Amino acid sequence: NAGVMQNPRHLVRRRGQEARLRCSPMKGHSHVYWYRQLPEEGLKFMVYLQKENIIDESGMPKERFSAEFPKEGPSILRIQQVVRGDSAAYFCASSQGERAAQYFGPGTRLLVL
Amino acid sequence: AQSVTQPDIHITVSEGASLELRCNYSYGATPYLFWYVQSPGQGLQLLLKYFSGDTLVQGIKGFEAEFKRSQSSFNLRKPSVHWSDAAEYFCALITGTASKLTFGTGTRLQVTL
Repeated sequence: NAGVMQNPRHLVRRRGQEARLRCSPMKGHSHVYWYRQLPEEGLKFMVYLQKENIIDESGMPKERFSAEFPKEGPSILRIQQVVRGDSAAYFCASSQGERAAQYFGPGTRLLVL
Repeated sequence: AQSVTQPDIHITVSEGASLELRCNYSYGATPYLFWYVQSPGQGLQLLLKYFSGDTLVQGIKGFEAEFKRSQSSFNLRKPSVHWSDAAEYFCALITGTASKLTFGTGTRLQVTL
């Protein structure tokens, strides 16, 4: 009965380092979404993936951010050369299909020093 | 483009009192509508969803919401609030052409004893 799992729950990086956030969807779910929550901006969509495919990346910053959902293993959100503005809570959600209810993980709180 | 408006940033109610949280949306057709709740430092939990059919939907924890097409609204209600309901509540939608959630800015609920 495991829900969406995310790790790490908290991540501290120095400016210029890389951050890797992992997400394992609920059992039976093959659709994964990443959202970012900033204090003054609310929850914003970043990217939508199915196994081995990026379906919608309209919310991803053009540089330094990438996401993947390989055939085996969790989905990864990767942030290269982090800056202080990347400090936020990053949430992963999963669903059974398109335009279906999405279930969220506990999030990864990224702090960039 | 679609949008969600939650006009109340912060609401305070007494324990045992009734609750209504407002949500209005802007979209040319009927979207799929959701309410989520987030406790501090936690992920988002799905309270209820509306896809079609009966416009009064029941959710978890005693919550319900009513879809009113004429008012473009999807307000969340609870007849008697418990102290444990104190949290932030987000209204969100998915349109017929995309799977990503668009969120409102949230309403923070405080419950006084």
